[in-house]
Amino acid sequence: DTGVSQDPRHKITKRGQNVTFRCDPISEHNRLYWYRQTLGQGPEFLTYFQNEAQLEKSRLLSDRFSAERPKGSFSTLEIQRTEQGDSAMYLCASSLELAASSYNEQFFGPGTRLTVL
Amino acid sequence: KNEVEQSPQNLTAQEGEFITINCSYSVGISALHWLQQHPGGGIVSLFMLSSGKKKHGRLIATINIQEKHSSLHITASHPRDSAVYICAVELGAQKLVFGQGTRLTINP
Repeated sequence: DTGVSQDPRHKITKRGQNVTFRCDPISEHNRLYWYRQTLGQGPEFLTYFQNEAQLEKSRLLSDRFSAERPKGSFSTLEIQRTEQGDSAMYLCASSLELAASSYNEQFFGPGTRLTVL
Repeated sequence: KNEVEQSPQNLTAQEGEFITINCSYSVGISALHWLQQHPGGGIVSLFMLSSGKKKHGRLIATINIQEKHSSLHITASHPRDSAVYICAVELGAQKLVFGQGTRLTINP
């Protein structure tokens, strides 16, 4: 257990439905990342937050995807009008950015596996 | 061409063998990470390095910045080492770009 939790762990939905995932990072971590991983591939970056500010979004994140981190703590990732191609593992990670450090360790949650029928 | 390439994609070995997984990258990086992913999805960070070599137990990670290459070694491999090992490079703003992973199976 890395201290990062995600909910739900599994989600099965029908095409066209909306889904929302939640990530609770390690409490003192100021950075939060979302990644997507399809079967047999490495994770791909989707977006990240510094506190409550969303600082970067991948072009993989279409208009149907939205992420929030309203109070700089937990984050939600919503997918609207799901498509079968959205089926993947959605991973969340958090890290603590130290001003004097040029890199930091990311701690990953267990992921939410989405299946769109 | 992917920014991060791992080899081999799959590796099967017998318990006790010395394992090497390679990672090559094509971009400038601030750090390189080795991660372990077990069935079910959980990812654990093994190493984060920007130069030289790090060792933790039976695991050793090396990086050659000039050649843009890193290796992960496992000594005296054990069936519990069976997992997917992922190399990831850290670009600006600590964004990670991942390799496709190497699936390692250690048979008893």
